[in-house]
Amino acid sequence: AQSVAQPEDQVNVAEGNPLTVKCTYSVSGNPYLFWYVQYPNRGLQFLLKYITGDNLVKGSYGFEAEFNKSQTSFHLKKPSALVSDSALYFCAVRERGSYIPTFGRGTSLIVHP
Amino acid sequence: DGGITQSPKYLFRKEGQNVTLSCEQNLNHDAMYWYRQDPGQGLRLIYYSQIVNDFQKGDIAEGYSVSREKKESFPLTVTSAQKNPTAFYLCASSIWRENEQFFGPGTRLTVL
Repeated sequence: AQSVAQPEDQVNVAEGNPLTVKCTYSVSGNPYLFWYVQYPNRGLQFLLKYITGDNLVKGSYGFEAEFNKSQTSFHLKKPSALVSDSALYFCAVRERGSYIPTFGRGTSLIVHP
Repeated sequence: DGGITQSPKYLFRKEGQNVTLSCEQNLNHDAMYWYRQDPGQGLRLIYYSQIVNDFQKGDIAEGYSVSREKKESFPLTVTSAQKNPTAFYLCASSIWRENEQFFGPGTRLTVL
């Protein structure tokens, strides 16, 4: 079975500071990993994914994520946060061989001016 | 929102009534999905469809029904058997055997 955990319900960061949103996963084999962002009363937007290859994945809006197999983590990062980054962020995992992803509960990112 | 439309944006229903939520995509994607989102619970899969005229139950299918008569359309019916239907409903699509999903803007259903 596949599962994903986002240990923080909320992350607060000052504008201009680096941000990290944490995600850990559990799968029986190699994972496909995804990050999505959701603004209030909107659908989810795809940010980035890890399939294979380089452990550091770059995505939309200056976000990146680092795949760490030994720690089973896929934390989302950005060097300098913007107030407009404030939103709900979801991590998702899919086992190779399973075509349905499992989503985390989401982390609310609040960037203070 | 990536070529997927959902209607209506807001929907109010009286207890005991069935309602149908629309989802249409023009991305030529084979797979379509319905999720339910409740505060603090992430996304839970209701139904998914890999191809036309075929669909599978997800984790919380009880009280819901779907159809997939056209590749572009995957409507969701919330029946009176669904005990707690008030939620935000999201439709998504993907190229089957590919990776990321594309989401519609969502429908917020409130049962009065």
